[in-house]
Amino acid sequence: QQPVQSPQAVILREGEDAVINCSSSKALYSVHWYRQKHGEAPVFLMILLKGGEQKGHEKISASFNEKKQQSSLYLTASQLSYSGTYFCGTDGSGNTGKLIFGQGTTLQVKP
Amino acid sequence: GAGVSQTPSNKVTEKGKYVELRCDPISGHTALYWYRQSLGQGPEFLIYFQGTGAADDSGLPNDRFFAVRPEGSVSTLKIQRTERGDSAVYLCASSQGTSGSEQYFGPGTRLTVT
Repeated sequence: QQPVQSPQAVILREGEDAVINCSSSKALYSVHWYRQKHGEAPVFLMILLKGGEQKGHEKISASFNEKKQQSSLYLTASQLSYSGTYFCGTDGSGNTGKLIFGQGTTLQVKP
Repeated sequence: GAGVSQTPSNKVTEKGKYVELRCDPISGHTALYWYRQSLGQGPEFLIYFQGTGAADDSGLPNDRFFAVRPEGSVSTLKIQRTERGDSAVYLCASSQGTSGSEQYFGPGTRLTVT
């Protein structure tokens, strides 16, 4: 099942904070976050693993609640370059890395 | 170092024709994934290779779609008898491992079936 992301879209001013949520109906092994700009490939931001390990971007943080099957991406002091569509990809298999992506959250940062 | 590369970047073909899309993963990455992305949607999983073998092809829509990775590096996605509904951006990603490893995406091939 496709994870559900919220909000669908958000508009910020530079320097403001945002939280993007990703919720799954099934147990998860890991959650992957990507940012995609129009016409470009998704860019890896962060991966959160069952058990608490995280790997990713220095300026972006995220959380993973295994019991609730939810993850949140925290964007603080947003910059113009943060604009784009954010996708969470969930891996429920624990062995293949096959990702099921949410529908995306569009973030626009204005000066 | 070099990232994932995909060729061609754009492909326009007529309904019913055969197409091949190529993916060159990051050197040393054993896992390779194909996804398809339609406008306004997230990437949709198609197939996953670990080495030369297709470990999971559950996302391929039907038997018109086929992919190979004969030497464990470059992969080719093949689509027979293309239909207008096949139009999308086809993305390839590679990773060092499988679960728990970052996947790095290529720029994609935009396929348009007329």
